[in-house]
Amino acid sequence: GQQLNQSPQSMFIQEGEDVSMNCTSSSIFNTWLWYKQDPGEGPVLLIALYKAGELTSNGRLTAQFGITRKDSFLNISASIPSDVGIYFCAGQNFGNEKLTFGTGTRLTIIP
Amino acid sequence: DAMVIQNPRYQVTQFGKPVTLSCSQTLNHNVMYWYQQKSSQAPKLLFHYYDKDFNNEADTPDNFQSRRPNTSFCFLDIRSPGLGDAAMYLCATSSGTSGRAPYEQYFGPGTRLTVT
Repeated sequence: GQQLNQSPQSMFIQEGEDVSMNCTSSSIFNTWLWYKQDPGEGPVLLIALYKAGELTSNGRLTAQFGITRKDSFLNISASIPSDVGIYFCAGQNFGNEKLTFGTGTRLTIIP
Repeated sequence: DAMVIQNPRYQVTQFGKPVTLSCSQTLNHNVMYWYQQKSSQAPKLLFHYYDKDFNNEADTPDNFQSRRPNTSFCFLDIRSPGLGDAAMYLCATSSGTSGRAPYEQYFGPGTRLTVT
């Protein structure tokens, strides 16, 4: 099945740095979701976006729904050790109860 | 707190020995999903229930079956596990009702299956 392209695939940053990652698709979506997965745990929903151009924040996290409806961005400001994990984007269309997942971005914080 | 619960968190089974994984939810959601996830890859949907309606993905092996006896519980049965079935199995739910976010999915903590 289709997978969304996430970049970068992995990031190595120092604590306190800002992080940016994005997700692109060849087709449009009506909803974009961002999840974080810790090792050995299930994904946790961070932010949901419902409208093209929408910018939504959740604490230090900010996500945007691209105006073309084919992409989305997630930014993390002032990273802390608990931000380590894999971030997945997911796209969804109205009336479709299934998600299309991105390939994931692994975030590592260098001591 | 409303949540998605998976038991057990870790399951070891022998090659070819049937195994059942369970999922329960207190969210009263209409839709329940089962995913397989291997080594940091994205979760792969196996099937889902919309109420009692079962929806199988075309590439899900026949070795995988599911049951949903009521709204709260859903089971994943692996009839004859092979070594390639070792993975994290994730259960998720979504409300499925009308509104802004009928299909936001909420995941359980997962069951790590080992096949020996």
